[in-house]
Amino acid sequence: KAGVTQTPRYLIKTRGQQVTLSCSPISGHRSVSWYQQTPGQGLQFLFEYFSETQRNKGNFPGRFSGRQFSNSRSEMNVSTLELGDSALYLCASSLQPGGGGNQPQHFGDGTRLSIL
Amino acid sequence: DQQVKQNSPSLSVQEGRISILNCDYTNSMFDYFLWYKKYPAEGPTFLISISSIKDKNEDGRFTVFLNKSAKHLSLHIVPSQPGDSAVYFCAASPYSGGGADGLTFGKGTHLIIQP
Repeated sequence: KAGVTQTPRYLIKTRGQQVTLSCSPISGHRSVSWYQQTPGQGLQFLFEYFSETQRNKGNFPGRFSGRQFSNSRSEMNVSTLELGDSALYLCASSLQPGGGGNQPQHFGDGTRLSIL
Repeated sequence: DQQVKQNSPSLSVQEGRISILNCDYTNSMFDYFLWYKKYPAEGPTFLISISSIKDKNEDGRFTVFLNKSAKHLSLHIVPSQPGDSAVYFCAASPYSGGGADGLTFGKGTHLIIQP
């Protein structure tokens, strides 16, 4: 069974640009969550999508947005990039929302975004 | 404020001995707890979880203990093997059936298994 696939693996952008990251969940998983990992803050929840609807959002500015398609694939967009947006962006999928219970979230290998 | 804390950034253990990784939480609404393992350049891999109605869950070499009154959980790895060297994240979810706020992660503990 294929795992969670994130593209691209690495990305370099400059301040002010915008970026779109892609995530293909495990087949059959309808929930996709996004996390930002930085050395200082660890893994922080960005938002979660289930059946094309955003269920909840973490404490990030409106520059961070996302969407989910009917095939459960998800994209995350960051506009007006800042130096502090440099991070590893991780996508996780699960059968049901939330990532807890008996249906834990399974993570992709992430997209390493560097802002120059 | 950090709702899930892993106070040891790193831990060094000899191969064959027991590794104990600790995690504390502050939010009483957390209902389910998970441990993830992460190698460099890879995403976190789910290891083991425990519901708040239990105090122990075991899976092979991995055992998670939950002390709800102390808001503390620990992961025991016995015996420790070189492949266990990785960063371990503790995570919590507010609902057993699926949370409304995603997973809240600790900052991780880097476990180093020495030969």
